[in-house]
Amino acid sequence: SQTIHQWPATLVQPVGSPLSLECTVEGTSNPNLYWYRQAAGRGLQLLFYSVGIGQISSEVPQNLSASRPQDRQFILSSKKLLLSDSGFYLCAGPAKDGLGDGYGYTFGSGTRLTVV
Amino acid sequence: AQRVTQPEKLLSVFKGAPVELKCNYSYSGSPELFWYVQYSRQRLQLLLRHISRESIKGFTADLNKGETSFHLKKPFAQEEDSAMYYCALSPLGAQKLVFGQGTRLTINP
Repeated sequence: SQTIHQWPATLVQPVGSPLSLECTVEGTSNPNLYWYRQAAGRGLQLLFYSVGIGQISSEVPQNLSASRPQDRQFILSSKKLLLSDSGFYLCAGPAKDGLGDGYGYTFGSGTRLTVV
Repeated sequence: AQRVTQPEKLLSVFKGAPVELKCNYSYSGSPELFWYVQYSRQRLQLLLRHISRESIKGFTADLNKGETSFHLKKPFAQEEDSAMYYCALSPLGAQKLVFGQGTRLTINP
């Protein structure tokens, strides 16, 4: 089965500082990978997804960017954080045999980001 | 555009009572639908998916295309069912999941 690793678990950053959240997956190759943000009262919002190395699709305009430098690595970044970037960030990948659509996704443990 | 709506942010029922978490979706095609659950201090995890027609932990969900709904039901709630529940939709071939806002279910003893 696939496992999603995320770090750090919590992060407190000042406004204007850079951000780098890392997600790695094990147990599969060439997976689709996703970054979601979980905000109170707004559910889970898809930020980015990637179907392969160097391939990034952005779902919403924002202060964040994503990169896929390696097959099993997905990075969420920002050059200058805003207060509104605070939230709980989740990385996700396919739940079974590299297939996501019909089998659902597996999620990382998340990173709680607080911008102060 | 695809949309998933969970009208109840909070739902509280007594142990042993039936529970129904509502989910409505907006999508013109045939979607794949899921329910995810997040227990306290645990990761978000898949509860069930409509294509498998399975019952997990006593929960079932039936896709009603006429009403565009995928409500989650359990006849007798248990205290360990207290959690955050998300309904999600995967548009055919879109390779992504669209989530609802979530419903926090609390089972009172």
